[in-house]
Amino acid sequence: SAVISQKPSRDICQRGTSLTIQCQVDSQVTMMFWYRQQPGQSLTLIATANQGSEATYESGFVIDKFPISRPNLTFSTLTVSNMSPEDSSIYLCSVALKAVDTQYFGPGTRLTVL
Amino acid sequence: QKEVEQDPGPLSVPEGAIVSLNCTYSNSAFQYFMWYRQYSRKGPELLMYTYSSGNKEDGRFTAQVDKSSKYISLFIRDSQPSDSATYLCAMSLMDSNYQLIWGAGTKLIIKP
Repeated sequence: SAVISQKPSRDICQRGTSLTIQCQVDSQVTMMFWYRQQPGQSLTLIATANQGSEATYESGFVIDKFPISRPNLTFSTLTVSNMSPEDSSIYLCSVALKAVDTQYFGPGTRLTVL
Repeated sequence: QKEVEQDPGPLSVPEGAIVSLNCTYSNSAFQYFMWYRQYSRKGPELLMYTYSSGNKEDGRFTAQVDKSSKYISLFIRDSQPSDSATYLCAMSLMDSNYQLIWGAGTKLIIKP
């Protein structure tokens, strides 16, 4: 498995501002992903963070709203831009290890937009 | 129709009971099957991982895959209040680049 940390763990933000969430892994990983989980809901994949190239976004998510960086094999950031109350959610980082065809998750960032 | 169906519950059972959690799926090409446990205000934690068909046991937990029926199950024996959480099933295709298809999650409550 892998140890994954996220910062911040929670935040309360004003409408129209942006927040950058950091994800750090304790080992080099094959793939990194960003998810959103709205209250009482399952997980929705936002994008796959690709090292050294642009992220791959899922339908309904765009780079202008959710820019993602992945400068190396252990770190990624997700920015939630020009926030509205509808962006209030838990944002989760996950990683995939080469040896196992599954994902491991960070603790999540709980975002509230007022 | 969703690719993966999972009853959101809540499912409430008394302490010590055997719990059965289930998911059905429509894509017969799924090869990897996972169960995650998510406590309130925490990230999902990988509980069980199975490749293809069969059973896998880990302590009080047993994961079962029936590919002919497109049905997976997670059994919890001797359930404890600490097992109270949301349980999410997930599955993926061979060579899918680790992309997972998720169930809705079942909220489980174990009553002391």
